[in-house]
Amino acid sequence: GIQVEQSPPDLILQEGANSTLRCNFSDSVNNLQWFHQNPWGQLINLFYIPSGTKQNGRLSATTVATERYSLLYISSSQTTDSGVYFCAVDRGSTLGRLYFGRGTQLTVWP
Amino acid sequence: DTGVSQDPRHKITKRGQNVTFRCDPISEHNRLYWYRQTLGQGPEFLTYFQNEAQLEKSRLLSDRFSAERPKGSFSTLEIQRTEQGDSAMYLCASSLSWDTNTGELFFGEGSRLTVL
Repeated sequence: GIQVEQSPPDLILQEGANSTLRCNFSDSVNNLQWFHQNPWGQLINLFYIPSGTKQNGRLSATTVATERYSLLYISSSQTTDSGVYFCAVDRGSTLGRLYFGRGTQLTVWP
Repeated sequence: DTGVSQDPRHKITKRGQNVTFRCDPISEHNRLYWYRQTLGQGPEFLTYFQNEAQLEKSRLLSDRFSAERPKGSFSTLEIQRTEQGDSAMYLCASSLSWDTNTGELFFGEGSRLTVL
């Protein structure tokens, strides 16, 4: 299957700081999604971004599919941003299957 | 529609018992997925349905696992003769897609299984 690597594995920030999370993948992909897993375990959709750049409030994401990476930017972080951020990709040739990275554990202190 | 719902949210069972989880997808979505997540790992694909047809199953889905989506709406995932290694979060997701793309997946809150 496709390899998805996320970095850094852990990130600790003070409230108000900015951060960049990275997702590298080993093969060409049709789609890419970023999720935030809240403390109760639910995966919340952040971005559906096979290519290009999108912004949603303090969050933005960029995917460069030809270079096989995606970046998630969090600006002016808040304590509610804490949790695990996952990147997941879809190869298209394996119908229905998203491949997830191991996530970045973000902790934001007040 | 309020999204994907799963039931029960938590299940504690003894080894050897059978358990069943239910997932209700977003109503207009034709695809439904089951994933499993263990501590410290990303979710891993188990199986998926397009309407009522089960189109792909992972090698993770042993003979003790069975999933159904009888009318193309809700789905059930049954685990027979549970083992301690089955302890995990079982996640359901749905999407709307008619081609080789998965579409944008929306996940439920998950069903956490603990096998004693």
